[in-house]
Amino acid sequence: ILNVEQSPQSLHVQEGDSTNFTCSFPSSNFYALHWYRWETAKSPEALFVMTLNGDEKKKGRISATLNTKEGYSYLYIKGSQPEDSATYLCAPLSGYSTLTFGKGTMLLVSP
Amino acid sequence: DAGVTQSPTHLIKTRGQQVTLRCSPKSGHDTVSWYQQALGQGPQFIFQYYEEEERQRGNFPDRFSGHQFPNYSSELNVNALLLGDSALYLCASSQGGGSYEQYFGPGTRLTVT
Repeated sequence: ILNVEQSPQSLHVQEGDSTNFTCSFPSSNFYALHWYRWETAKSPEALFVMTLNGDEKKKGRISATLNTKEGYSYLYIKGSQPEDSATYLCAPLSGYSTLTFGKGTMLLVSP
Repeated sequence: DAGVTQSPTHLIKTRGQQVTLRCSPKSGHDTVSWYQQALGQGPQFIFQYYEEEERQRGNFPDRFSGHQFPNYSSELNVNALLLGDSALYLCASSQGGGSYEQYFGPGTRLTVT
């Protein structure tokens, strides 16, 4: 059973602030790392699927890095906007495409 | 493309009853996974269905069972409901074995009283 830790648990920033979250996990027994963004009353939305050590992915103002050797991933949001308010979940993928989720980081961006 | 759909949206049951939740996968997807999200927790893997068989199972009791139909849709059944089964149940679909991409439905909120 993978133990996935996310920090911080919650974060409240002002519009325009940049922020980052951490996801840590055992550095073995997985073959991809997923980041999801989950807005209240909606479906979790896939942000990134990362597979290679040193991988860096970017989508607009959001980017993520992966370090498989030490077992962590960072998610960065540049210039946060109120619409970025959501819970951000990370999940290593193992077995037959089984996701093991952390508890998530709840982000609130105030105008 | 309707994406992943789940029904019902909300459900209230009493302890000891049985419940069935339904999921239709994204078009072209043949694998369905079920997750339970209890309050304050991340989603936890229940089981996965592929080719109408349970392929992998998480740490959930036998009260939790499922089924996949030839059209790839799936059901999650929970027997002898406990108060602790109150949670959001999420369905995710993907294509083939070992697929990296998983798409989630909006979930079914189950309340057990």
